[in-house]
Amino acid sequence: KNQVEQSPQSLIILEGKNCTLQCNYTVSPFSNLRWYKQDTGRGPVSLTIMTFSENTKSNGRYTATLDADTKQSSLHITASQLSDSASYICVVSAVPGGFKTIFGAGTRLFVKA
Amino acid sequence: DSGVTQTPKHLITATGQRVTLRCSPRSGDLSVYWYQQSLDQGLQFLIQYYNGEERAKGNILERFSAQQFPDLHSELNLSSLELGDSALYFCASSTGVVANEKLFFGSGTQLSVL
Repeated sequence: KNQVEQSPQSLIILEGKNCTLQCNYTVSPFSNLRWYKQDTGRGPVSLTIMTFSENTKSNGRYTATLDADTKQSSLHITASQLSDSASYICVVSAVPGGFKTIFGAGTRLFVKA
Repeated sequence: DSGVTQTPKHLITATGQRVTLRCSPRSGDLSVYWYQQSLDQGLQFLIQYYNGEERAKGNILERFSAQQFPDLHSELNLSSLELGDSALYFCASSTGVVANEKLFFGSGTQLSVL
């Protein structure tokens, strides 16, 4: 069964601290993995995309990693800011054929001053 | 701004009623997707249209239907509404038809069924 599981469910950190969010998936055959950021009451916005051959990709203070062998990804946020408070959603897509884009339930991050 | 427009932003209605949510995709995007997000839940895929034709169906109830018009805007119709249909409904668009493309999401329509 195609599944995407994220942990932790929620996280509270102090401004300026780093944190790492986890995503485990069983989607097959794997095409790509995206991390989206969703601010409260807004639509998700893509942060990064990881394909099979990529191990690490950065977007500013966000760094995503992918281990295709263990089917795990992480999103590391450096020097957190109050504006990082949001839900972070891991989305895994499978091709070819059919529609297999599976959304994780998300990790709710709260950054406190 | 994602370029995807959803209207209305908020909708309050009663059980048993019917509502229509509207979505205009980004300029040039041919695919439109609809998602439902209940309180503190993940996004649930409902349906995808590509260039006017239905391409994929997710967990969409029979009381719900959608269509994509020649100008590529899409409407999601929800009928015989129940309390449990209260949720944020998102529309997303992408350039092509395949499922692994980057999605651009609208700001959503908050539906409250009382």
